[in-house]
Amino acid sequence: EPEVTQTPSHQVTQMGQEVILRCVPISNHLYFYWYRQILGQKVEFLVSFYNNEISEKSEIFDDQFSVERPDGSNFTLKIRSTKLEDSAMYFCASRAYLAGGRNEQFFGPGTRLTVL
Amino acid sequence: EDQVTQSPEALRLQEGESSSLNCSYTVSGLRGLFWYRQDPGKGPEFLFTLYSAGEEKEKERLKATLTKKESFLHITAPKPEDSATYLCAVQAGGAGGTSYGKLTFGQGTILTVHP
Repeated sequence: EPEVTQTPSHQVTQMGQEVILRCVPISNHLYFYWYRQILGQKVEFLVSFYNNEISEKSEIFDDQFSVERPDGSNFTLKIRSTKLEDSAMYFCASRAYLAGGRNEQFFGPGTRLTVL
Repeated sequence: EDQVTQSPEALRLQEGESSSLNCSYTVSGLRGLFWYRQDPGKGPEFLFTLYSAGEEKEKERLKATLTKKESFLHITAPKPEDSATYLCAVQAGGAGGTSYGKLTFGQGTILTVHP
């Protein structure tokens, strides 16, 4: 069964460093998302991406964040200058085309980001 | 602002003891309500989508129902392997009906089933 994959599973970085989190969405999906979950808190939406551009973003997704689909399979989240409060689980999700179809998003296993 | 509230925060059951989890929501035009299961340290695993009031979906020991204000996840004769956090999320219709699929999650119900 197709699934969303994410690498690395755990990333440890120093405050102020740049990190890139990588995701391979399900192959025939067209909508891509990043969410994060701070330990003990809700899963929070960060950004949605469709047709090679950001379609929606939250207030959390400020100028230090960026997303990219560099090729036909990968989807990345870059945090330019990490802060302690960026420590969280980051989940990638993907969804098939909407019209008349199913709306459900399928999530990857997550990347645990620890900022020291 | 879309809001999702789940109750109870935690639920402990004996194996075979049926119960229900609640998800109350306020959203500007519901496009879909989703139930996910999340195991510790893992990503949310899709269970159900509900689109309109009165709709019901079933999968093994789980049954999800939807009204205009809330959804219930009924667990019949649970087993220890059903222990997990159950997440409810809503997708709003958005301005002019446009939606790119942003999900708003509740805080989850931690279910523990003892043998």
